[in-house]
Amino acid sequence: KAGVTQTPRYLIKTRGQQVTLSCSPISGHRSVSWYQQTPGQGLQFLFEYFSETQRNKGNFPGRFSGRQFSNSRSEMNVSTLELGDSALYLCASSLDQGASSEQYFGPGTRLTVT
Amino acid sequence: GQNIDQPTEMTATEGAIVQINCTYQTSGFNGLFWYQQHAGEAPTFLSYNVLDGLEEKGRFSSFLSRSKGYSYLLLKELQMKDSASYLCAVRDPSGGSYIPTFGRGTSLIVHP
Repeated sequence: KAGVTQTPRYLIKTRGQQVTLSCSPISGHRSVSWYQQTPGQGLQFLFEYFSETQRNKGNFPGRFSGRQFSNSRSEMNVSTLELGDSALYLCASSLDQGASSEQYFGPGTRLTVT
Repeated sequence: GQNIDQPTEMTATEGAIVQINCTYQTSGFNGLFWYQQHAGEAPTFLSYNVLDGLEEKGRFSSFLSRSKGYSYLLLKELQMKDSASYLCAVRDPSGGSYIPTFGRGTSLIVHP
């Protein structure tokens, strides 16, 4: 069974631009979560989607948004990029959103904002 | 609110045993995870504890005490490849979400 895939793996953008990252979960998984990882803050939760609906959202500004498609693939968008948005963006998928559900992480997209 | 603490960095010798601690303060509790993350790679699942006690899985064991808000990950017979960041994550459903909150991770350096 293929794992979680994320595209692109690396991205360089300039301040003010916008970016879209993509995540394909493990086949059969309906829950997709997005995290931002930086050396200073660690792994911080962005949002979670389940069956095309955003179920939970972390404490990030409205410039960060996402969506999920009917095939469970998910995208996240960051508009008006800032230097502080440089980070590793990780996507994790799980079978459902219940307590017993384990998360599987993708390799991440390394975003650099210059 | 949620607060998860782990040491920032630890060093150990190849072949030795190391214990990485994690303390948490959460409104609710529904499980604690440990993940391993090598530099530049995705976190990979190591263990899940929801009841008190020790869970053993090969060279790795994880312990949980819910009353103390405390867990540890025990790595035996350390190998150089165990050099990685170890992330503790707690599930607190009191806010209506089963999404785990992660600590900042413990960077383990194993030297010969």
